[in-house]
Amino acid sequence: DQQVKQNSPSLSVQEGRISILNCDYTNSMFDYFLWYKKYPAEGPTFLISISSIKDKNEDGRFTVFLNKSAKHLSLHIVPSQPGDSAVYFCAASVNNAGNMLTFGGGTRLMVKP
Amino acid sequence: NAGVTQTPKFQVLKTGQSMTLQCAQDMNHNSMYWYRQDPGMGLRLIYYSASEGTTDKGEVPNGYNVSRLNKREFSLRLESAAPSQTSVYFCASRRTVENIQYFGAGTRLSVL
Repeated sequence: DQQVKQNSPSLSVQEGRISILNCDYTNSMFDYFLWYKKYPAEGPTFLISISSIKDKNEDGRFTVFLNKSAKHLSLHIVPSQPGDSAVYFCAASVNNAGNMLTFGGGTRLMVKP
Repeated sequence: NAGVTQTPKFQVLKTGQSMTLQCAQDMNHNSMYWYRQDPGMGLRLIYYSASEGTTDKGEVPNGYNVSRLNKREFSLRLESAAPSQTSVYFCASRRTVENIQYFGAGTRLSVL
């Protein structure tokens, strides 16, 4: 059973509008959450993260929101740009020695000019 | 600064053949990881090495072995490849003091 789920396989938005990517998790032990961005034929690259002690973290056009009671996090991209078109993965970890990441299935974002 | 380097980038095997995927990082990271990516399933952890000299199983270790050759290098071996091992394989590394993993560009493997 997947502990981290991204229920929308794809999302299409217009350039300049907001993109909202969602992620749900089931394991209440997760205490650190990350978003990765992946272009074709490249490895995932780190985008933004949030600790469970916070409910929001912002970095430029990217903001991650965490709702622990709902076990839900979201990534907001404002404004969206065509270069943001990629697959986005959310990931979660328990703060132990291994820091293994559990990934969601990914959401393909397409930003139309 | 190359980061995490994986070789080869592409490989085609026949069922039953063996091969080793190589991974090296130049960031002096203690922890290294091997993942596989399959459509709709995200990345799943195969094995990891929290530090030089240690290795542990991840979520999907069956059919694979690993070697942490030194601090820089972490290899993944398929002893007898099966079509179910057709996937894209990613290696990653992490500095102990932070939770961010840094990924290589991947190896695309097809087993016929």
